[in-house]
Amino acid sequence: GENVEQHPSTLSVQEGDSAVIKCTYSDSASNYFPWYKQELGKRPQLIIDIRSNVGEKKDQRIAVTLNKTAKHFSLHITETQPEDSAVYFCAARGEGSGNTGKLIFGQGTTLQVKP
Amino acid sequence: NAGVTQTPKFQVLKTGQSMTLQCAQDMNHEYMSWYRQDPGMGLRLIHYSVGAGITDQGEVPNGYNVSRSTTEDFPLRLLSAAPSQTSVYFCASSYGGTNTGELFFGEGSRLTVL
Repeated sequence: GENVEQHPSTLSVQEGDSAVIKCTYSDSASNYFPWYKQELGKRPQLIIDIRSNVGEKKDQRIAVTLNKTAKHFSLHITETQPEDSAVYFCAARGEGSGNTGKLIFGQGTTLQVKP
Repeated sequence: NAGVTQTPKFQVLKTGQSMTLQCAQDMNHEYMSWYRQDPGMGLRLIHYSVGAGITDQGEVPNGYNVSRSTTEDFPLRLLSAAPSQTSVYFCASSYGGTNTGELFFGEGSRLTVL
């Protein structure tokens, strides 16, 4: 089955700097790669996603890139702010029909943005 | 819409006890799933369902049962609780089909097994 590895496990940056979180996946049939943000004590919430027919996607200060050949994808946050401090999870959807295949998550990255 | 509702939010069990975590969604989502979250291990898929009457195992299914008799409900049963099942449990749902894969999570249920 699908396996998702996420690095680093913790990341500390100064406010205004950029942050990059990387994930690799094992199942070449995976076609959907979302990123979730989880604030302390809260539920995970989707912040951006990318599908396998696209190489890059941006939404204001966040962007995701996908390299299908290497089977890795990355989250880029620019101009970080203290409110970006949270745990970030990458995920990949493995085998399954349409959009109903199971979603497998990485181990998470705790991002700390220092004021 | 209430979204995804989980109950209870907190529960303490003794080893060997059984219990059911309830999950309900009012968004007419076909896909529902259960994850457990442990420090340093991310969100691990326990069981999932692509529609009423259909369930399948995830990454860590042992010790848990599920059923999906209706589109709205997807309860998770712990048959004989063990300390290793101490965790935060999240129920999540999404549309089926080709339009979206976004998972909507419940608020979580914190379970402690003594």
